Amino acid sequence: GDSVTQMEGPVTLSEEAFLTINCTYTATGYPSLFWYVQYPGEGLQLLLKATKADDKGSNKGFEATYRKETTSFHLEKGSVQVSDSAVYFCALSDTGSEKLVFGKGTKLTVNP
Amino acid sequence: DGGITQSPKYLFRKEGQNVTLSCEQNLNHDAMYWYRQDPGQGLRLIYYSQIVNDFQKGDIAEGYSVSREKKESFPLTVTSAQKNPTAFYLCASSPGLLAKNIQYFGAGTRLSVL
Repeated sequence: GDSVTQMEGPVTLSEEAFLTINCTYTATGYPSLFWYVQYPGEGLQLLLKATKADDKGSNKGFEATYRKETTSFHLEKGSVQVSDSAVYFCALSDTGSEKLVFGKGTKLTVNP
Repeated sequence: DGGITQSPKYLFRKEGQNVTLSCEQNLNHDAMYWYRQDPGQGLRLIYYSQIVNDFQKGDIAEGYSVSREKKESFPLTVTSAQKNPTAFYLCASSPGLLAKNIQYFGAGTRLSVL
């Protein structure tokens, strides 16, 4: 079945550091890929998405590129801020599926 | 102001009691979903509905029930058969497959057992 594997957290960085959160996936079709962010005590918000191979999703300084050859969708940001502290979820939606498959989430803490 | 409204924000359940969590959306989305979130386990799908008067079990449906009588509403009942109900519950909606299943989430309900 479809699955998403994220790097284990928690991740702790200093402000202005470079961020990478790894995400790899297994899917039977041609999935769409997503990153969601969850701030403390809140629901999830869509951060960015990519719907086909080599697409790059970007938003708020975050980027992720859909790599079919490595089945990956790693999240990156060049300079994190304290306000980026949150839990990040990688997810996929496979062809024809009505559901999203989520990774377990990676907690990011950014210190001033 | 379009969005998904979950209520209440906090809920307490006594032993043997059924409780119902509300989820309402005004986004005109066809599909709605209920997830359970436990620390370190990500999101697990409880039930989902693609259309009014129809719904399907997700991965952890035992001890839960839902209804979808209106497009805007998808309430979740946590029954007394759910022995470990303490968790954060998230409702989501989606325009469906044509929108690549992008889901939009409510702010969640935190359920605790007294």
